[in-house]
Amino acid sequence: SQKIEQNSEALNIQEGKTATLTCNYTNYSPAYLQWYRQDPGRGPVFLLLIRENEKEKRKERLKVTFDTTLKQSLFHITASQPADSATYLCALRSGYNKLIFGAGTRLAVHP
Amino acid sequence: NAGVMQNPRHLVRRRGQEARLRCSPMKGHSHVYWYRQLPEEGLKFMVYLQKENIIDESGMPKERFSAEFPKEGPSILRIQQVVRGDSAAYFCASSPHTGGGTDTQYFGPGTRLTVL
Repeated sequence: SQKIEQNSEALNIQEGKTATLTCNYTNYSPAYLQWYRQDPGRGPVFLLLIRENEKEKRKERLKVTFDTTLKQSLFHITASQPADSATYLCALRSGYNKLIFGAGTRLAVHP
Repeated sequence: NAGVMQNPRHLVRRRGQEARLRCSPMKGHSHVYWYRQLPEEGLKFMVYLQKENIIDESGMPKERFSAEFPKEGPSILRIQQVVRGDSAAYFCASSPHTGGGTDTQYFGPGTRLTVL
């Protein structure tokens, strides 16, 4: 069955460092992949979308890579700040337009 | 431009009662999706609707759950005879109809349902 895996352990990093989060998937060939941010008690907020024919996408301090051979996406936040602390969700499109989400990785950026 | 709106934000029901969750999509969006998030779990797709049509309900439980998106008014997710296991956060998302196959979904703040 289709499966999306994100590191379930929280990622703790120091302010100013680069945070790297991983999303792996199996039994699936998505046309695109999305990353969302979710704060406690709130809905997911869309960050970036990357298509299968794109290797890399950037937006300000965010960078996403998409390797369809490895079936993996990496999400980077450079010059991280305490305000970046949140749970980050990886999502793949399936069927008509539904999203399959990973369980998310909690990021904590310490001053 | 207001985002996706959901109400109520918090809903408490006793076992056996009905829960009605409402979702107003972003202006100009004609596609609505409902997801459920159980504590410490990821979001799970429930149903995808366009105006007056259910496109994909593969994630909806077969019993007690129903959804609609009428021509006028918000989308409604209805849960009849709620049980404790229905306690969760229910999120609605909407997207525009661009036809390009990469419609980004924008999420509302969610309704947190607690069943006593």
